[in-house]
Amino acid sequence: QQQVKQSPQSLIVQKGGISIINCAYENTAFDYFPWYQQFPGKGPALLIAIRPDVSEKKEGRFTISFNKSAKQFSLHIMDSQPGDSATYFCAASNPDKLIFGTGTRLQVFP
Amino acid sequence: DTAVSQTPKYLVTQMGNDKSIKCEQNLGHDTMYWYKQDSKKFLKIMFSYNNKELIINETVPNRFSPKSPDKAHLNLHINSLELGDSAVYFCASSQEGTGWNIQYFGAGTRLSVL
Repeated sequence: QQQVKQSPQSLIVQKGGISIINCAYENTAFDYFPWYQQFPGKGPALLIAIRPDVSEKKEGRFTISFNKSAKQFSLHIMDSQPGDSATYFCAASNPDKLIFGTGTRLQVFP
Repeated sequence: DTAVSQTPKYLVTQMGNDKSIKCEQNLGHDTMYWYKQDSKKFLKIMFSYNNKELIINETVPNRFSPKSPDKAHLNLHINSLELGDSAVYFCASSQEGTGWNIQYFGAGTRLSVL
């Protein structure tokens, strides 16, 4: 019940395309859903986050869509760029800890 | 100025040795964490401390002992290192009470046990 399932494991997208990464959770006590971006040799960095009382949040080219009834949320990267190539982690939080998804390696080719 | 800094960045050691990883944050946060990232990139919490008090202690072997001398520092000591301990260890920090569990990560320490 503490798991967060993430798919796909890897994603290859052409420059300018849309990248979509999906996550699903079971525990309805989770109250905060962030996405982290990790470049090789670096630590994860917060990209965008959402609370379950909101169905969508957009920041620049990055959008989180949240479906509370389905217990699913997704990250959409519009106009994907080679610089977006990284590993993306969804996560879910109860008050004291983050449970991370298994990660998606995104490669954007020119 | 690096917000969350870890040392060393790389650590290569023999099985059976004892080693420590240090972490410091200059964000004024009151909560610090240790995560382990395995070869498949899976990121799992090990410990968290709030104001020097242990809050989370996941099912981690007791060869791993965190120590928080003050709220800006959280060190990780590992005894009797095993091959399976090879991984990247990340320190992170956050501020409790903001309503958002935003965690800031260090750059990681890559531990290789030979």
